[in-house]
Amino acid sequence: DIQLTQSPSFLSASVGDRVTITCRASQGISSYLAWYQQKPGKAPKLLIYAASTLQSGVPSRFSGSGSGTEFTLTISSLQPEDFATYYCQQLNSYLFTFGPGTKVDIK
Amino acid sequence: QVQLVQSGAEVKKPGASVKVSCKASGYTFTGYYMHWVRQAPGQGLEWMGRINPNSGGTNYAQKFQGRVTMTRDTSISTAYMELSRLRSDDTAVYYCARVAAYSSSVGYYYGMDVWGQGTTVTVSS
Repeated sequence: DIQLTQSPSFLSASVGDRVTITCRASQGISSYLAWYQQKPGKAPKLLIYAASTLQSGVPSRFSGSGSGTEFTLTISSLQPEDFATYYCQQLNSYLFTFGPGTKVDIK
Repeated sequence: QVQLVQSGAEVKKPGASVKVSCKASGYTFTGYYMHWVRQAPGQGLEWMGRINPNSGGTNYAQKFQGRVTMTRDTSISTAYMELSRLRSDDTAVYYCARVAAYSSSVGYYYGMDVWGQGTTVTVSS
């Protein structure tokens, strides 16, 4: 099975900061990677698919990049509503595994 | 609007089974795979498996093989996830999620674009 790791596990940031989260796959997955945002008590929300394509309605301050085994999610200017946990997910095989998550908290 | 509405919270004893439903509306139910994801308290997301609502074909994560059964009833646009031989560590919020396929020049890419509201399953003696 393909395993995903995320770094950091936790980050503390301020409104306006540029934030980058990394996701690494145990084997190459081309661009079959998605990113989700989850707020407490809520279902996850799809932000990015195909590693870099913004889901409809998602603000342009979110961006994704990478292919193969290393991927990044960047928030260009952190907003108050962006404090949440972010998960990557590989969709290369039908076993759609998730990364362990990165919690973004207020500094 | 497109939505997935799940059944209500459940409390079960160890060794029992639970069946969670997920009713789809606003789109063609048979046109999208349905996946199930769970989240234990304070933990991350765990993919459990998927069902093709058109054929009924399923794929399960190895961890749940033999304990999980995913089915669907196309007449009422509803998917089901049944987990048997429950243990305390099965206590979690269970989500259904639709997977969309996005066409590109090199094929299809995927993402879980619509989620149910979640069903809390508590396993306790």
